[in-house]
Amino acid sequence: AQSVTQLGSHVSVSEGALVLLRCNYSSSVPPYLFWYVQYPNQGLQLLLKYTTGATLVKGINGFEAEFKKSETSFHLTKPSAHMSDAAEYFCAVSSLFGNEKLTFGTGTRLTIIP
Amino acid sequence: DTEVTQTPKHLVMGMTNKKSLKCEQHMGHRAMYWYKQKAKKPPELMFVYSYEKLSINESVPSRFSPECPNSSLLNLHLHALQPEDSALYLCASSRTSDDTGELFFGEGSRLTVL
Repeated sequence: AQSVTQLGSHVSVSEGALVLLRCNYSSSVPPYLFWYVQYPNQGLQLLLKYTTGATLVKGINGFEAEFKKSETSFHLTKPSAHMSDAAEYFCAVSSLFGNEKLTFGTGTRLTIIP
Repeated sequence: DTEVTQTPKHLVMGMTNKKSLKCEQHMGHRAMYWYKQKAKKPPELMFVYSYEKLSINESVPSRFSPECPNSSLLNLHLHALQPEDSALYLCASSRTSDDTGELFFGEGSRLTVL
């Protein structure tokens, strides 16, 4: 069984401040981890993914995430928030069994304060 | 071309109507997915097609009927829906269903059942 927990359904940060969105996972096999972003009235877009190899993963729009096995975490960060980052962010986990078993977290809505 | 195109973007239907949602991709992907997303919730998997064959049906009511006419097209036929079926319906594709890579999502079809 696999699952992800996103801590904080709503996060607000000031423009230019650090963005930190938290995600913890549970998986009985080595996990593959993803962050997806959903802008209002749009579908989901992949920000970044971890499968194997380097634990610090860089994605689009200046986001990055670090896989920490000891903490079962995959937190998403961005050094300086921009107004255009306002969106819903979903952490997701799958395994070597593929996309059919992709499990999404409940999402975190990021608000940027001007 | 990295797009998944969904039509219509908005659909309003009565409980006795029959309508269809359409999804198209030209990325050569062999796996296609239907997800249902309620407001402020993560996407929920409904169906997976792999090489034009239905591989997963997540116990979806029979009033939802998927169809995959060819590797580029995916339809969702709707009949006798209930108001609680109102949601955003997302189509997605990936290279294969046992691929742990990126899911490409369309912008969704927002369905309102009166």
